[in-house]
Amino acid sequence: DAGVIQSPRHEVTEMGQEVTLRCKPISGHDYLFWYRQTMMRGLELLIYFNNNVPIDDSGMPEDRFSAKMPNASFSTLKIQPSEPRDSAVYFCAGGQLYSSGNTIYFGEGSWLTVV
Amino acid sequence: AQRVTQPEKLLSVFKGAPVELKCNYSYSGSPELFWYVQYSRQRLQLLLRHISRESIKGFTADLNKGETSFHLKKPFAQEEDSAMYYCALKSGNTGKLIFGQGTTLQVKP
Repeated sequence: DAGVIQSPRHEVTEMGQEVTLRCKPISGHDYLFWYRQTMMRGLELLIYFNNNVPIDDSGMPEDRFSAKMPNASFSTLKIQPSEPRDSAVYFCAGGQLYSSGNTIYFGEGSWLTVV
Repeated sequence: AQRVTQPEKLLSVFKGAPVELKCNYSYSGSPELFWYVQYSRQRLQLLLRHISRESIKGFTADLNKGETSFHLKKPFAQEEDSAMYYCALKSGNTGKLIFGQGTTLQVKP
């Protein structure tokens, strides 16, 4: 298994543009998480899904952020319009409850810079 | 409230010195705790989990329910241990992990 796959790995965009980050979780994992990592705030959970259904989106900073999981093998995190303060590393992670010791596996992250 | 606290943002030690990365948690039930490690510009990787009582790369962590702590220890630090370390708490039956702020470990030669 190739693990959790995220794209793009790096993106530089101008303020106001739409950004779409993509994630392909490990097959069979029923949980998917989107985290944001910054120097100031560390790792923040934005939203997570269970069996493709959003369970908790209380960490989504504002309406400019949205996430979808149309099927078990794909999820997107969208920022529209983007702002410089959105610059961060966005991690997708997945896991299977009660399996593998409840381990969550992370992707390599999408490094977003908004100028 | 469920919370994980890592009081040190940066811990700097010399090679061969003992290391202890502190983690305290707040949780009303029976906690499940993890340590994740992130090497420079890489993904977070699971280092160890308390239910396994394992030692990985020389690191150990013991759950102390009385002190609500799960400190990560290594008797002799190596330069390759330099990384960011995150302590995490599993939240109930949701599958969600709550992370601490992370501690950067810097091992100097």
